[in-house]
Amino acid sequence: KAGVTQTPRYLIKTRGQQVTLSCSPISGHRSVSWYQQTPGQGLQFLFEYFSETQRNKGNFPGRFSGRQFSNSRSEMNVSTLELGDSALYLCASRRLAGEAETQYFGPGTRLLVL
Amino acid sequence: EDKVVQSPLSLVVHEGDTVTLNCSYEVTNFRSLLWYKQEKKAPTFLFMLTSSGIEKKSGRLSSILDKKELFSILNITATQTGDSAVYLCAVYTGTASKLTFGTGTRLQVTL
Repeated sequence: KAGVTQTPRYLIKTRGQQVTLSCSPISGHRSVSWYQQTPGQGLQFLFEYFSETQRNKGNFPGRFSGRQFSNSRSEMNVSTLELGDSALYLCASRRLAGEAETQYFGPGTRLLVL
Repeated sequence: EDKVVQSPLSLVVHEGDTVTLNCSYEVTNFRSLLWYKQEKKAPTFLFMLTSSGIEKKSGRLSSILDKKELFSILNITATQTGDSAVYLCAVYTGTASKLTFGTGTRLQVTL
């Protein structure tokens, strides 16, 4: 079974621009979560989508948004980029949304904001 | 605010040594605890623990959870250079919608 895929893998943007990242979950998985990973803060939860609905959101500003499509693919968008948004953005999928369900991570998109 | 703390922050051992990595947590409405291994890319799943005192094993790795004392340990026996990685501990809480991660333990295994 193919794993979680994320595109693009690397991205360079300048301050003020916006960016859209894409995540395709493992086939049959309906939940997609997004995380930001930085050296200083570690892995931090952004949001989770299940069946096209946002279930939970982390403590990030409104510039960070996401959506999920009917085929479970998800996108996240960051508007008005800041230097501090430079990070590895990881997407994780799981079959259903519950504590017995393991999240499987994609390879990540490394975003550099100049 | 939910908190997951891992120790030590980093560790250097010789091949063949046994290591114990620690994870403690202060969270509301604990659901389960997960361990991941992260090399240069995506975290890969190791274990999920939901019940106290039941050891999970996979080859040279094992883990156990103590829900009374709010911690978990990950043991690696007969370490190999391929075990060099960051080991992440994460906890599901509440509606089990999000994982709260610790900052990780960086393990380096030398020859």
